[in-house]
Amino acid sequence: SQQGEEDPQALSIQEGENATMNCSYKTSINNLQWYRQNSGRGLVHLILIRSNEREKHSGRLRVTLDTSKKSSSLLITASRAADTASYFCATVALDGGNQFYFGTGTSLTVIP
Amino acid sequence: KAGVTQTPRYLIKTRGQQVTLSCSPISGHRSVSWYQQTPGQGLQFLFEYFSETQRNKGNFPGRFSGRQFSNSRSEMNVSTLELGDSALYLCASSQPEGPSYTFGSGTRLTVV
Repeated sequence: SQQGEEDPQALSIQEGENATMNCSYKTSINNLQWYRQNSGRGLVHLILIRSNEREKHSGRLRVTLDTSKKSSSLLITASRAADTASYFCATVALDGGNQFYFGTGTSLTVIP
Repeated sequence: KAGVTQTPRYLIKTRGQQVTLSCSPISGHRSVSWYQQTPGQGLQFLFEYFSETQRNKGNFPGRFSGRQFSNSRSEMNVSTLELGDSALYLCASSQPEGPSYTFGSGTRLTVV
């Protein structure tokens, strides 16, 4: 399977703290994306980082990508209760067309 | 603009029956992809349609099929339902070469 893995599987923090989650993948990629899923709902696109980029910011989100280690991290700063959700990384392989491979997800709980 | 619309939202079927799920993509998005999400397997790619043609297919049995109409709306059909087909089925639309998906809220299928 080309599915990636995320670490940790679950994370619980206090409101205002930072949350970091990591993603490892298996193949050479075109880009890597992070999505958020609130319980039982569809996924929402958060941020995309291309294979030639090392770091990207969007609001309270910071994403890094290390293609040599085939890994990425998502940092959410100053977390809020509304950030409680599952977070997935998704990769698009170089030869994979428009097929995404999703990681196993990190369940984040932000305690008010 | 309207998002990706999936119907129905919830569905309960009996083992052995068949089911059809519908997805209306964002206006202008011609690529529609389907994913199955289960607690055990995570998000698994089913297939992608573009211009009424299946462009990519995941590793699912032939009981899972789909089609796309000229207005880019897509349907997914599962025949001879099994208990293991119980899942959240997510549809996502995108521009033909991505780069990111917009997901619908999903159809929760329960097979009893």
